[in-house]
Amino acid sequence: AQSVTQLGSHVSVSEGALVLLRCNYSSSVPPYLFWYVQYPNQGLQLLLKYTSAATLVKGINGFEAEFKKSETSFHLTKPSAHMRDAAEYFCAVSGSYNTDKLIFGTGTRLQVFP
Amino acid sequence: DADVTQTPRNRITKTGKRIMLECSQTKGHDRMYWYRQDPGLGLRLIYYSFDVKDINKGEISDGYSVSRQAQAKFSLSLESAIPNQTALYFCATSDLYGYTFGSGTRLTVV
Repeated sequence: AQSVTQLGSHVSVSEGALVLLRCNYSSSVPPYLFWYVQYPNQGLQLLLKYTSAATLVKGINGFEAEFKKSETSFHLTKPSAHMRDAAEYFCAVSGSYNTDKLIFGTGTRLQVFP
Repeated sequence: DADVTQTPRNRITKTGKRIMLECSQTKGHDRMYWYRQDPGLGLRLIYYSFDVKDINKGEISDGYSVSRQAQAKFSLSLESAIPNQTALYFCATSDLYGYTFGSGTRLTVV
């Protein structure tokens, strides 16, 4: 069985500051990990995904995440926050690549202050 | 047209009513999913289907049923709606290349 835990339901940063959103996973098989973003009143958009190729994954909009097996983590980072990054972010895990159900975390709402 | 289309986009219904949410896809994917989103709880899996003859319960299937009428269609029913089923519902599909989500159905049960 797979699960993810997102630490911090709300994160606030100033514009230009580092963004760090935390995700820890639990999986009985090698996991496939995803980060999705949901802007206000919109659907889900894929930011990036880990598919066991490279541990450092680069996504859209300047985001990246690093898979750390020893820490069972897949934290999302961005060096410099923009106002447009304000959204809700979801970490998700699957037991197989794109062909199994996605299990989502509870989400982290990112606020960016000027 | 969107790859995954959910209808209706918004719906208000009364307690005790039966309601169906529909999902259709043009991706040609065998795998389809229904999730509900609640504030602070993220997205939780209701039902999923890996092909037309395969239906599986997710983590919160009580009070819901589904029908996979064809490869392209996967409907979610609330047999007798209750207020705590008020939520945003997402349909999704997947194949080896990725997952595709619909735009969601916002359901309010009063």
